[in-house]
Amino acid sequence: GAGVSQSPRYKVAKRGQDVALRCDPISGHVSLFWYQQALGQGPEFLTYFQNEAQLDKSGLPSDRFFAERPEGSVSTLKIQRTQQEDSAVYLCASSYRDRASRGNTIYFGEGSWLTVV
Amino acid sequence: GENVEQHPSTLSVQEGDSAVIKCTYSDSASNYFPWYKQELGKRPQLIIDIRSNVGEKKDQRIAVTLNKTAKHFSLHITETQPEDSAVYFCAAPWGGSTLGRLYFGRGTQLTVWP
Repeated sequence: GAGVSQSPRYKVAKRGQDVALRCDPISGHVSLFWYQQALGQGPEFLTYFQNEAQLDKSGLPSDRFFAERPEGSVSTLKIQRTQQEDSAVYLCASSYRDRASRGNTIYFGEGSWLTVV
Repeated sequence: GENVEQHPSTLSVQEGDSAVIKCTYSDSASNYFPWYKQELGKRPQLIIDIRSNVGEKKDQRIAVTLNKTAKHFSLHITETQPEDSAVYFCAAPWGGSTLGRLYFGRGTQLTVWP
């Protein structure tokens, strides 16, 4: 596709509800990232996949957060028993190579805006 | 992990003036420094980046400078235009064993007045 695609764009969840956020990275991109962006803040790292392998999940704030990328392309971020503090924009990003620190461009999606009421 | 600090948090300039945003980082092993522009409700978009083997990079009205010794890098926008108004984020990776993780500054809200 032309860019990183995320769905849903907007989600309102009742507290305690489970949500699933989907990310379609740019075709052929090896690396996939999830970031959380609170209002007025910079994106904060959640987790990183290289193909289907989840190499870093140290940014996930609690065990209610779970991410997967079973076939190395589409990824899903799942949040169980949502709480109000989970309200944020969840950004997915992808890059072609396997090490962003070597200076490979990371492309972001438009984000999924989650509001927990 | 990496600690990225960004200043100022807000910046207002008159159209045609220059704008400078500064960031510092803590991990001396960091070797790649991107800048992202984010308009309200939109995705962060890469506008320029610099690798640690150069001290300056320019792309039309935008330039980035890097001082590895002092561990800071800056974004320079010349001849600002109202459409430059947005939030700008700097970022740096952690050069350690964590792959692909970017640490972002808290952002600078740039407003360019016509």
